[in-house]
Amino acid sequence: TQLLEQSPQFLSIQEGENLTVYCNSSSVFSSLQWYRQEPGEGPVLLVTVVTGGEVKKLKRLTFQFGDARKDSSLHITAAQPGDTGLYLCAGDGAGNMLTFGGGTRLMVKP
Amino acid sequence: ETGVTQSPTHLIKTRGQQVTLRCSSQSGHNTVSWYQQALGQGPQFIFQYYREEENGRGNFPPRFSGLQFPNYSSELNVNALELDDSALYLCASSPRGLPPLHGYTFGSGTRLTVV
Repeated sequence: TQLLEQSPQFLSIQEGENLTVYCNSSSVFSSLQWYRQEPGEGPVLLVTVVTGGEVKKLKRLTFQFGDARKDSSLHITAAQPGDTGLYLCAGDGAGNMLTFGGGTRLMVKP
Repeated sequence: ETGVTQSPTHLIKTRGQQVTLRCSSQSGHNTVSWYQQALGQGPQFIFQYYREEENGRGNFPPRFSGLQFPNYSSELNVNALELDDSALYLCASSPRGLPPLHGYTFGSGTRLTVV
């Protein structure tokens, strides 16, 4: 069974601060995706990383895939209240399924 | 281009009853996956449908079943509902065969409450 562990589970920070969310597994994934989910909505894809060591930037968000394709991180620079939400990592592995982490609930206070 | 639409948005059922949830995939997407998201947790894979056949299944009992229709829409059926089935049920569609960069498009989900 492939498992993904996300940390931290909860994060409450002030506007302007930086933060990093981690996603770790003992399994190798062919790709890893990051989603953001708002209350009452489904997850929305932010980025997919495929190559070990890959770094992708999306405005103030930086995503990194580990060299061994077992872990990933999401770094947000100068967080804003609009960044508030549930951040989910998901590994694309065996059986045509996405394995999701437990999520990191981020609150950015103005 | 329309996204993934799910119905109903909310549903309350009694323990032991049966429920059917519906999903219309995004235009051009021929693969549909269903996920269960309990409160405060990440989504868990139930199963995937491609070409009207089940094409992968997670760790869910047989009372969770599904269908896919020729227009790629899908249904999730749950029999003999239990209290622990209370969750947000998410449908995700994808264009099978394309690189994983395209990811999955999720619907807004159906919130099922079993009392």
